[in-house]
Amino acid sequence: AQSVAQPEDQVNVAEGNPLTVKCTYSVSGNPYLFWYVQYPNRGLQFLLKYITGDNLVKGSYGFEAEFNKSQTSFHLKKPSALVSDSALYFCAFMRPGTYKYIFGTGTRLKVLA
Amino acid sequence: NAGVTQTPKFRILKIGQSMTLQCAQDMNHNYMYWYRQDPGMGLKLIYYSVGAGITDKGEVPNGYNVSRSTTEDFPLRLELAAPSQTSVYFCASSYSRGDMNTEAFFGQGTRLTVV
Repeated sequence: AQSVAQPEDQVNVAEGNPLTVKCTYSVSGNPYLFWYVQYPNRGLQFLLKYITGDNLVKGSYGFEAEFNKSQTSFHLKKPSALVSDSALYFCAFMRPGTYKYIFGTGTRLKVLA
Repeated sequence: NAGVTQTPKFRILKIGQSMTLQCAQDMNHNYMYWYRQDPGMGLKLIYYSVGAGITDKGEVPNGYNVSRSTTEDFPLRLELAAPSQTSVYFCASSYSRGDMNTEAFFGQGTRLTVV
């Protein structure tokens, strides 16, 4: 089955350190890839997407992600974490022509002061 | 700029009761979606719609029904509520035309408890 995997349930990082939240995909063709963030008791907010073109995608709040076709990965990164980045992060994909967003299970990021 | 609006925000249902979760978007998006979110399970697609009058099943459609009579509205109906339907429900919308695809915009969610 085509899917995205987020191998870490939780990631802890100290404030000011770089952060990485991992996502790998198992999707045929050239999928569209997305990252969303969810704060407590809120809906999902869009961070960034990869459709085509430059493999390094920059998004909201200083986040970026790198599309790596050979490793089938789309890891989310930020050079310097903030306590306010603590939230639940979801990776998602859409196979072009299917119009359905399929989500990973989510990774909880905790940034420690 | 309302975006995607879901009502109600919270609801408690008794087993066997019915209810409709409302979803409306004001962005003229052609695609709309219903997801449920369970702890540790991520979001599962219940139903989606590619335009008014067109709906299709997602990953977990059993126990739910939808309709899309207008571009703006996409209600989700639970006919006979069961404890397994206790979850947080999210409506989302997006725009797709040719090669242009926006990201999905989400509502704030409806927290449903079936007792």
